[in-house]
Amino acid sequence: NAGVTQTPKFQVLKTGQSMTLQCAQDMNHNSMYWYRQDPGMGLRLIYYSASEGTTDKGEVPNGYNVSRLNKREFSLRLESAAPSQTSVYFCASSERGPLSYNEQFFGPGTRLTVL
Amino acid sequence: GENVEQHPSTLSVQEGDSAVIKCTYSDSASNYFPWYKQELGKRPQLIIDIRSNVGEKKDQRIAVTLNKTAKHFSLHITETQPEDSAVYFCAATPLSGYSTLTFGKGTMLLVSP
Repeated sequence: NAGVTQTPKFQVLKTGQSMTLQCAQDMNHNSMYWYRQDPGMGLRLIYYSASEGTTDKGEVPNGYNVSRLNKREFSLRLESAAPSQTSVYFCASSERGPLSYNEQFFGPGTRLTVL
Repeated sequence: GENVEQHPSTLSVQEGDSAVIKCTYSDSASNYFPWYKQELGKRPQLIIDIRSNVGEKKDQRIAVTLNKTAKHFSLHITETQPEDSAVYFCAATPLSGYSTLTFGKGTMLLVSP
């Protein structure tokens, strides 16, 4: 089992460029999440997908879009990158569903720099 | 929505000492409180969690306590070792439908030999 995988590991963009961060999990989890991590700010939820076919905004969704392509894959898109989006991005997955609170498993992260 | 405050932001201890990290939460409906450890350059990983029907939980050198009345919970690490050096995050969630975790801002723990 690879667990949660993310591509790419590193990326440098210029302001205004677009890109898609890819995430996949092989644990048959229902729920998937995208977080950003900035120094001193902890982990902030960008978007999540409670189950295949659904997506919802988290705490900091502005400037991002997501797609739950299938049960395994959940992508995060930056349409027009801004320097404020320089961050480390983590994808996570969990079995959670109604009335359950299972562990979230994180991917290795993508370090994104926007110049 | 839920708000989680975590203190201290940095904590330095000598090897063998105990370390305590404290978190408070705002939503009285929260009933699940996990702790994640993130080593430098690595991904966060769950180390222990507690549910609202339990006041304390222990796993070897780590323990978590919960005070629902005061809306705070704490992580206790005894006999600290250099490999305990990492950033620790607390989180909270109310169990309603597909509720999500709200994380604290993290505590950087440094254990000196």
